Amino acid sequence: DIQMTQSPSSVSASVGDRVTITCRASQGIGSWLVWYQQKPGKAPKLLIYTASSLQSGVPSRFSGSGSGTDFTLTITSLQAEDFATYYCQQANSFPLTFGGGTKVEMK
Amino acid sequence: EVQLVESGGGLVQPGRSLRLSCAASGFTFDDYAMHWVRQAPGKGLEWVSGISWNSGSIGYADSVKGRFTISRDNAKNSLYLQMNSLRPGDTALYYCAKEPNARSGIDSWGQGTLVTVSS
Repeated sequence: DIQMTQSPSSVSASVGDRVTITCRASQGIGSWLVWYQQKPGKAPKLLIYTASSLQSGVPSRFSGSGSGTDFTLTITSLQAEDFATYYCQQANSFPLTFGGGTKVEMK
Repeated sequence: EVQLVESGGGLVQPGRSLRLSCAASGFTFDDYAMHWVRQAPGKGLEWVSGISWNSGSIGYADSVKGRFTISRDNAKNSLYLQMNSLRPGDTALYYCAKEPNARSGIDSWGQGTLVTVSS
Protein backbone atom coordinates (compact mmCIF):
# COMPACT_ATOMS: atom_id res chain seq x y z
CA ASP A 1 0.00 0.00 0.00
CA ILE A 2 1.09 3.57 -0.64
CA GLN A 3 1.75 5.55 2.53
CA MET A 4 1.14 9.29 2.52
CA THR A 5 3.12 11.44 4.93
CA GLN A 6 2.11 15.04 5.51
CA SER A 7 4.13 17.73 7.20
CA PRO A 8 3.87 19.62 9.35
CA SER A 9 1.07 18.12 11.42
CA SER A 10 0.12 21.62 12.51
CA VAL A 11 1.10 25.15 11.62
CA SER A 12 0.35 28.44 13.33
CA ALA A 13 -0.18 31.34 10.98
CA SER A 14 -1.75 34.77 10.71
CA VAL A 15 -4.13 36.23 8.18
CA GLY A 16 -2.11 37.27 5.17
CA ASP A 17 0.62 34.68 5.70
CA ARG A 18 1.79 32.25 3.04
CA VAL A 19 1.33 28.65 4.19
CA THR A 20 2.96 25.60 2.62
CA ILE A 21 2.03 22.00 3.38
CA THR A 22 3.93 19.07 2.00
CA CYS A 23 2.86 15.52 1.25
CA ARG A 24 5.18 12.65 0.42
CA ALA A 25 4.14 9.33 -1.09
CA SER A 26 5.99 6.15 -0.25
CA GLN A 27 6.21 5.37 -3.97
CA GLY A 28 5.64 7.28 -7.18
CA ILE A 29 2.05 8.22 -7.93
CA GLY A 30 2.54 10.43 -10.97
CA SER A 31 0.22 13.39 -10.56
CA TRP A 32 -2.60 11.42 -8.92
CA LEU A 33 -2.68 13.54 -5.78
CA VAL A 34 -5.68 15.29 -4.26
CA TRP A 35 -5.96 17.94 -1.54
CA TYR A 36 -8.95 18.51 0.75
CA GLN A 37 -9.91 21.06 3.36
CA GLN A 38 -11.98 20.05 6.36
CA LYS A 39 -13.54 22.28 8.97
CA PRO A 40 -14.84 20.98 12.32
CA GLY A 41 -18.13 19.15 12.05
CA LYS A 42 -18.14 19.34 8.27
CA ALA A 43 -17.40 16.95 5.43
CA PRO A 44 -14.13 17.49 3.55
CA LYS A 45 -14.05 19.83 0.58
CA LEU A 46 -12.10 19.07 -2.59
CA LEU A 47 -9.52 21.78 -3.31
CA ILE A 48 -7.01 20.40 -5.79
CA TYR A 49 -6.97 17.29 -8.01
CA THR A 50 -4.29 15.79 -10.22
CA ALA A 51 -1.74 17.59 -8.05
CA SER A 52 -2.28 21.07 -9.45
CA SER A 53 -5.78 21.43 -10.91
CA LEU A 54 -7.98 23.82 -8.95
CA GLN A 55 -11.47 22.53 -8.26
CA SER A 56 -14.23 24.79 -9.54
CA GLY A 57 -15.16 27.47 -7.03
CA VAL A 58 -11.96 27.21 -5.00
CA PRO A 59 -10.16 30.54 -4.57
CA SER A 60 -7.00 31.03 -6.59
CA ARG A 61 -4.93 31.61 -3.42
CA PHE A 62 -4.84 27.81 -3.21
CA SER A 63 -2.37 26.04 -5.46
CA GLY A 64 -0.80 22.63 -5.71
CA SER A 65 2.40 21.36 -7.23
CA GLY A 66 4.56 18.28 -7.47
CA SER A 67 4.71 14.90 -9.11
CA GLY A 68 6.10 11.48 -8.37
CA THR A 69 6.50 11.35 -4.61
CA ASP A 70 6.67 14.95 -3.41
CA PHE A 71 3.78 17.38 -3.44
CA THR A 72 2.95 20.78 -2.02
CA LEU A 73 -0.19 22.72 -1.19
CA THR A 74 0.33 26.45 -0.92
CA ILE A 75 -2.06 29.04 0.42
CA THR A 76 -0.95 32.52 -0.50
CA SER A 77 -2.32 35.26 1.73
CA LEU A 78 -4.17 33.14 4.28
CA GLN A 79 -7.74 34.25 4.96
CA ALA A 80 -9.80 33.81 8.13
CA GLU A 81 -11.92 31.13 6.48
CA ASP A 82 -8.83 29.06 5.65
CA PHE A 83 -8.19 27.97 9.24
CA ALA A 84 -8.95 24.28 8.94
CA THR A 85 -7.35 20.88 8.56
CA TYR A 86 -5.91 19.88 5.21
CA TYR A 87 -5.47 16.35 3.90
CA CYS A 88 -3.70 14.92 0.91
CA GLN A 89 -4.86 11.68 -0.71
CA GLN A 90 -3.26 9.52 -3.35
CA ALA A 91 -5.64 8.58 -6.15
CA ASN A 92 -3.19 6.42 -8.08
CA SER A 93 -4.34 2.99 -6.99
CA PHE A 94 -6.43 1.02 -4.54
CA PRO A 95 -6.32 1.12 -1.62
CA LEU A 96 -6.64 4.88 -1.69
CA THR A 97 -4.80 6.47 1.21
CA PHE A 98 -4.89 9.80 3.00
CA GLY A 99 -2.17 11.71 4.73
CA GLY A 100 -2.48 12.29 8.44
CA GLY A 101 -3.65 15.87 8.07
CA THR A 102 -2.23 19.34 8.73
CA LYS A 103 -4.09 21.67 11.05
CA VAL A 104 -3.72 25.32 10.17
CA GLU A 105 -4.25 27.28 13.37
CA MET A 106 -4.39 30.93 14.20
CA LYS A 107 -1.17 32.32 15.61
CA GLU B 1 -27.85 19.51 -6.62
CA VAL B 2 -25.95 16.39 -5.62
CA GLN B 3 -27.32 14.76 -2.48
CA LEU B 4 -25.89 11.78 -0.67
CA VAL B 5 -27.83 10.59 2.35
CA GLU B 6 -26.38 7.85 4.52
CA SER B 7 -28.35 5.66 6.87
CA GLY B 8 -27.95 2.50 8.89
CA GLY B 9 -25.46 3.60 11.51
CA GLY B 10 -25.90 2.99 15.20
CA LEU B 11 -24.57 1.26 18.28
CA VAL B 12 -23.55 -2.36 17.74
CA GLN B 13 -21.68 -4.93 19.81
CA PRO B 14 -18.27 -6.21 18.75
CA GLY B 15 -18.53 -9.13 16.37
CA ARG B 16 -21.94 -8.14 15.07
CA SER B 17 -22.92 -6.81 11.64
CA LEU B 18 -24.34 -3.62 10.25
CA ARG B 19 -25.36 -2.51 6.76
CA LEU B 20 -24.96 1.09 5.70
CA SER B 21 -26.93 2.57 2.83
CA CYS B 22 -26.45 5.73 0.81
CA ALA B 23 -29.25 7.22 -1.27
CA ALA B 24 -27.97 9.34 -4.13
CA SER B 25 -29.81 12.02 -6.06
CA GLY B 26 -29.15 15.04 -8.22
CA PHE B 27 -26.80 13.29 -10.63
CA THR B 28 -26.66 10.27 -12.93
CA PHE B 29 -25.63 7.73 -10.33
CA ASP B 30 -24.51 5.00 -12.70
CA ASP B 31 -21.99 7.32 -14.35
CA TYR B 32 -19.77 7.59 -11.30
CA ALA B 33 -17.53 5.61 -9.01
CA MET B 34 -18.48 5.79 -5.36
CA HIS B 35 -16.62 5.41 -2.08
CA TRP B 36 -16.99 5.00 1.65
CA VAL B 37 -14.64 7.09 3.79
CA ARG B 38 -14.64 7.06 7.58
CA GLN B 39 -13.38 9.30 10.32
CA ALA B 40 -12.96 8.15 13.90
CA PRO B 41 -13.79 10.78 16.54
CA GLY B 42 -11.03 13.37 16.61
CA LYS B 43 -8.97 11.51 14.02
CA GLY B 44 -8.12 11.85 10.35
CA LEU B 45 -9.78 10.55 7.23
CA GLU B 46 -9.55 6.88 6.29
CA TRP B 47 -10.68 5.53 2.93
CA VAL B 48 -12.68 2.34 3.47
CA SER B 49 -13.81 1.09 0.09
CA GLY B 50 -14.59 2.13 -3.45
CA ILE B 51 -16.59 0.76 -6.37
CA SER B 52 -16.61 1.65 -10.05
CA TRP B 53 -19.74 2.68 -11.90
CA ASN B 54 -20.47 -0.86 -13.07
CA SER B 55 -19.11 -2.69 -10.00
CA GLY B 56 -16.30 -4.02 -12.19
CA SER B 57 -13.59 -2.56 -9.98
CA ILE B 58 -13.77 -2.74 -6.20
CA GLY B 59 -11.18 -1.99 -3.55
CA TYR B 60 -10.88 -2.13 0.20
CA ALA B 61 -8.60 -0.79 2.88
CA ASP B 62 -6.47 -3.48 4.46
CA SER B 63 -8.16 -2.76 7.79
CA VAL B 64 -11.56 -3.92 6.49
CA LYS B 65 -10.68 -6.42 3.78
CA GLY B 66 -12.50 -9.70 4.31
CA ARG B 67 -14.98 -8.14 6.73
CA PHE B 68 -16.66 -5.37 4.72
CA THR B 69 -18.39 -5.63 1.34
CA ILE B 70 -19.29 -2.68 -0.86
CA SER B 71 -22.06 -2.90 -3.43
CA ARG B 72 -24.33 -0.68 -5.45
CA ASP B 73 -27.73 -0.86 -7.08
CA ASN B 74 -27.78 1.54 -9.99
CA ALA B 75 -31.49 0.99 -10.54
CA LYS B 76 -32.11 2.29 -7.01
CA ASN B 77 -29.40 4.97 -7.04
CA SER B 78 -28.00 3.42 -3.92
CA LEU B 79 -24.63 2.47 -2.44
CA TYR B 80 -24.18 -0.02 0.35
CA LEU B 81 -21.57 -1.17 2.84
CA GLN B 82 -22.06 -4.50 4.55
CA MET B 83 -19.93 -4.55 7.68
CA ASN B 84 -19.34 -7.87 9.42
CA SER B 85 -17.26 -8.86 12.43
CA LEU B 86 -17.24 -5.29 13.66
CA ARG B 87 -14.51 -4.16 16.02
CA PRO B 88 -14.24 -1.20 18.39
CA GLY B 89 -11.68 0.26 15.97
CA ASP B 90 -14.42 0.52 13.34
CA THR B 91 -16.13 3.20 15.41
CA ALA B 92 -16.33 6.24 13.16
CA LEU B 93 -18.46 8.57 11.12
CA TYR B 94 -18.94 6.89 7.74
CA TYR B 95 -19.24 9.12 4.71
CA CYS B 96 -20.68 8.14 1.35
CA ALA B 97 -18.76 9.94 -1.37
CA LYS B 98 -18.79 10.48 -5.13
CA GLU B 99 -15.78 10.54 -7.43
CA PRO B 100 -16.26 12.99 -10.33
CA ASN B 101 -13.68 11.50 -12.69
CA ALA B 102 -11.25 8.64 -12.53
CA ARG B 103 -8.49 9.32 -10.03
CA SER B 104 -9.66 12.88 -9.39
CA GLY B 105 -10.60 12.63 -5.77
CA ILE B 106 -14.00 13.02 -4.18
CA ASP B 107 -16.13 16.06 -4.95
CA SER B 108 -19.32 15.27 -3.06
CA TRP B 109 -19.85 13.89 0.42
CA GLY B 110 -22.85 12.93 2.50
CA GLN B 111 -23.35 14.14 6.05
CA GLY B 112 -22.15 10.83 7.42
CA THR B 113 -23.66 8.13 9.59
CA LEU B 114 -22.13 7.29 12.95
CA VAL B 115 -21.18 3.70 13.72
CA THR B 116 -20.28 2.92 17.31
CA VAL B 117 -18.93 -0.53 18.14
CA SER B 118 -19.03 -1.16 21.84
CA SER B 119 -20.23 -3.72 24.34
